[in-house]
Amino acid sequence: SAVISQKPSRDICQRGTSLTIQCQVDSQVTMMFWYRQQPGQSLTLIATANQGSEATYESGFVIDKFPISRPNLTFSTLTVSNMSPEDSSIYLCSARGWQETQYFGPGTRLLVL
Amino acid sequence: GENVEQHPSTLSVQEGDSAVIKCTYSDSASNYFPWYKQELGKRPQLIIDIRSNVGEKKDQRIAVTLNKTAKHFSLHITETQPEDSAVYFCAATSYDKVIFGPGTSLSVIP
Repeated sequence: SAVISQKPSRDICQRGTSLTIQCQVDSQVTMMFWYRQQPGQSLTLIATANQGSEATYESGFVIDKFPISRPNLTFSTLTVSNMSPEDSSIYLCSARGWQETQYFGPGTRLLVL
Repeated sequence: GENVEQHPSTLSVQEGDSAVIKCTYSDSASNYFPWYKQELGKRPQLIIDIRSNVGEKKDQRIAVTLNKTAKHFSLHITETQPEDSAVYFCAATSYDKVIFGPGTSLSVIP
């Protein structure tokens, strides 16, 4: 199974600022994803991080607000831009190996004041 | 796109009893159905999965069934233990994307 790390684990930010979350996988994976989880809610897919090209965003999420990079097979970043209190959430990185099994990072807990 | 529904939203059982969680999906192209367990403050953990060419799969006290015709799949936990208490998410994979159901909060009462 893939081991996924994220940093920071948590942060408190001021509105209008941006935060970049890093995700590192310990082995090569086929696909990487970013999810958002509001407290007590399910996981919502933000986008698929594509290696060397633009991410594929789900309905309701746009590149200007959530720019994503994936420069290689094992690393990706998600930036939450121009933050507002509504962006307070847990952001989870996820990766899928060759056998379709998908694993999750520990999450980044973001609070925007 | 894919839509996954899940019932019940909360479930309480006595220790030793069985728990059943049911899900439905909308996209007939979905072919992979994982189940995740999430304890408070922790990441989702895969507990069992089933592919569309299989009707049932079992792993110790956990089993999953799939009815492709009806687009239903279910999680069965037997001989429940207090450590089974968590939120359980069903999910369906369609076009390489895993879409999650809303979750079931399971409480096992000692």
